[in-house]
Amino acid sequence: AQSVTQPDIHITVSEGASLELRCNYSYGATPYLFWYVQSPGQGLQLLLKYFSGDTLVQGIKGFEAEFKRSQSSFNLRKPSVHWSDAAEYFCASARGNNNDMRFGAGTRLTVKP
Amino acid sequence: DSGVTQTPKHLITATGQRVTLRCSPRSGDLSVYWYQQSLDQGLQFLIQYYNGEERAKGNILERFSAQQFPDLHSELNLSSLELGDSALYFCASSVGVTDNQPQHFGDGTRLSIL
Repeated sequence: AQSVTQPDIHITVSEGASLELRCNYSYGATPYLFWYVQSPGQGLQLLLKYFSGDTLVQGIKGFEAEFKRSQSSFNLRKPSVHWSDAAEYFCASARGNNNDMRFGAGTRLTVKP
Repeated sequence: DSGVTQTPKHLITATGQRVTLRCSPRSGDLSVYWYQQSLDQGLQFLIQYYNGEERAKGNILERFSAQQFPDLHSELNLSSLELGDSALYFCASSVGVTDNQPQHFGDGTRLSIL
């Protein structure tokens, strides 16, 4: 069965520092992979997605993610974090049928001034 | 703004009651999904409708039901409510079913059971 693991429940970084949020997926074939962000009281907003092709994916708000098949990972990165990036981040995978999308437990990001 | 509209934003009710949550998908989207987000269970897929037909079921309780109407809006009905049903309920929509378009989420309905 496919599943998504986000090993870090909570991460704190200083404003201006780089960020990497980890995501591992478990699925026999290459799934479709997504990163969503959820600000307090808001719904989930899509940051970026990977379906095929270039393994480095650019998203909105300066985020990028790299798909590594050998490590079954799809980590999210940002070179310089802004205070407004403080939120909950969810990694998700799907098999092409949207009705089978699985979400990780989420990583809460705190940004220190 | 994702284009997905959910009403109401907040709902407070008592155990044993029944509520209806409403979702209007993005213009042009035919698929609607319902999710429950709680502290202990995380984000869980409940049910999906595509163009009026039920497409897939996830971890949806028998006390819960949903439907999608001809104008493509959807309603999630929760009955015989229990304290554990307190959660944030999200609706999402996408263009189709098997295409690789991502889901777009509404801001959710926060349900509190007293």
